[in-house]
Amino acid sequence: RKEVEQDPGPFNVPEGATVAFNCTYSNSASQSFFWYRQDCRKEPKLLMSVYSSGNEDGRFTAQLNRASQYISLLIRDSKLSDSATYLCVVNLEGYSTLTFGKGTMLLVSP
Amino acid sequence: DADVTQTPRNRITKTGKRIMLECSQTKGHDRMYWYRQDPGLGLRLIYYSFDVKDINKGEISDGYSVSRQAQAKFSLSLESAIPNQTALYFCATSDFAESGGADTQYFGPGTRLTVL
Repeated sequence: RKEVEQDPGPFNVPEGATVAFNCTYSNSASQSFFWYRQDCRKEPKLLMSVYSSGNEDGRFTAQLNRASQYISLLIRDSKLSDSATYLCVVNLEGYSTLTFGKGTMLLVSP
Repeated sequence: DADVTQTPRNRITKTGKRIMLECSQTKGHDRMYWYRQDPGLGLRLIYYSFDVKDINKGEISDGYSVSRQAQAKFSLSLESAIPNQTALYFCATSDFAESGGADTQYFGPGTRLTVL
């Protein structure tokens, strides 16, 4: 079965910490990769797309390793407001639908 | 105003009742999706539509039907609701990914459905 796998967490970190999330996907033909953020009982929202060359947006860095079918998200200088569930999202099967991982919960404490 | 809206936001119904969840979008996207989210199971695709004349089953379509009334409207129906359809339901939209693959999806605020 084709899947997107994530460590469910929760990850408990203090403010200012650096935290990394990992994700593996099962289909080498996948073309589109994203990280979404979901707050409790809210809709998922795009955090960032993930490009083959890696990309950075402020404190957030995403990397893709196609050979290993592995995606990562690094959050530097964690803020209380970063507490949320982070969803790894991939288009499996090479189709135009997305498959969502079950998410990794992050809890940032003062 | 929100780009993707869902009605109702909360609904409690009884087993065997027919209910409809509605989704509207002002993003001008052709592609629309319905998902359900259950604790521990993540988001699962129920149905999707790439244009007004296109309807496709997702991973878990049994017990559900959809209608794409217009580019901006996509409705999900439960013909005879059962308790294990209690979940958080999300509608989403996306544009066409010119480079292939799938484009970013934008979600509505969700409908919390409880079937007693």
